[in-house]
Amino acid sequence: DAGVIQSPRHEVTEMGQEVTLRCKPISGHDYLFWYRQTMMRGLELLIYFNNNVPIDDSGMPEDRFSAKMPNASFSTLKIQPSEPRDSAVYFCASTVADRGEQFFGPGTRLTVL
Amino acid sequence: GENVEQHPSTLSVQEGDSAVIKCTYSDSASNYFPWYKQELGKGPQLIIDIRSNVGEKKDQRIAVTLNKTAKHFSLHITETQPEDSAVYFCAASYNNNDMRFGAGTRLTVKP
Repeated sequence: DAGVIQSPRHEVTEMGQEVTLRCKPISGHDYLFWYRQTMMRGLELLIYFNNNVPIDDSGMPEDRFSAKMPNASFSTLKIQPSEPRDSAVYFCASTVADRGEQFFGPGTRLTVL
Repeated sequence: GENVEQHPSTLSVQEGDSAVIKCTYSDSASNYFPWYKQELGKGPQLIIDIRSNVGEKKDQRIAVTLNKTAKHFSLHITETQPEDSAVYFCAASYNNNDMRFGAGTRLTVKP
């Protein structure tokens, strides 16, 4: 089992550019979560999906952020346009219903200049 | 919504000593309380969890206690080792979803 896969691992971009982060959950998992981690705000839940359907996106900071899950094995988090305050480590996690434990990917470190 | 507070933010102990990290939560409906360990450059990894129908759970050197009345839970690590050095996060959720994390505790175990 490869675990949760995220790409890219590092992204450096300039303010105003579009950024797309990608996640492949563990096969068979039906929940997928996107988190953002910063020193100031800690680990924040942005959005989560169940069976590819967004369930709660109340953590998405603003309209510049969007997330999709077109199928059970792929999800994207898009920021357009990006701003320096979006610099953070973004984690994707997955789990199965009633399991409890969320399995985190290695994260994408985003730097917006 | 749920609010989780975690203390202390940093903790330094001598190898072999015990370490205790405490968390409080606000939503009485929360019923799942995991603890995650995050090493540098990696994602958080579950080390132990407890559900609201249990007061205490132990796994080798790690134990977690839950007081539902007071809405607080604690992580206890005994006989600490240098490889226990990491950032530890507590979390709370209702039925495993919408998990809210504490701010984290940076534990340093000095050899």
